[in-house]
Amino acid sequence: DAKTTQPPSMDCAEGRAANLPCNHSTISGNEYVYWYRQIHSQGPQYIIHGLKNNETNEMASLIITEDRKSSTLILPHATLRDTAVYYCIVRVGDAGGTSYGKLTFGQGTILTVHP
Amino acid sequence: NAGVTQTPKFRILKIGQSMTLQCTQDMNHNYMYWYRQDPGMGLKLIYYSVGAGITDKGEVPNGYNVSRSTTEDFPLRLELAAPSQTSVYFCASGRQGTGNTEAFFGQGTRLTVV
Repeated sequence: DAKTTQPPSMDCAEGRAANLPCNHSTISGNEYVYWYRQIHSQGPQYIIHGLKNNETNEMASLIITEDRKSSTLILPHATLRDTAVYYCIVRVGDAGGTSYGKLTFGQGTILTVHP
Repeated sequence: NAGVTQTPKFRILKIGQSMTLQCTQDMNHNYMYWYRQDPGMGLKLIYYSVGAGITDKGEVPNGYNVSRSTTEDFPLRLELAAPSQTSVYFCASGRQGTGNTEAFFGQGTRLTVV
């Protein structure tokens, strides 16, 4: 799986958009971008994923650059409950590759939402 | 659905003891994972499995063993526990499918080796 680089920490004011960047310059054509978050000491929670196109769900939006070398997770209206560690992961799709199914985490970004 | 269930939630082991961390899922997922998370650090993959009878090493497999005899269960065995294995252990599962292989995590087992 391709490596990812994320800033170690970010701050955001409550009610504002939180934009979390991720670099994955060595991503391969069959690798997807996934975002998870971990609140306090709970198990990580899936947020969103994408391959090439921008994606949106009830939790967040994912913007992937045209060359796919970086992406941004957007929480449109951050709340205090969004304070967490956010992990950006790239992994192969299940259609092939010797490491299919493998899911590895990096260090993530600590997002602190303040009043 | 119970999702991913880990037992026990907490455990204190003495150096050299052995134990098995249990993980079971009721979502009929092919994929299952074991991670450890040391204080202030990210998750490290210990072992993973893409189906019953198939397991593979992750980043930090030394000191651990796994088996996957059924789809539902993926126990993690610690032999000869060492203080370096003090950590929080998370089990996860995910279904096979192109692209969307969202993983669901258990609530963790907090292990202290003294």
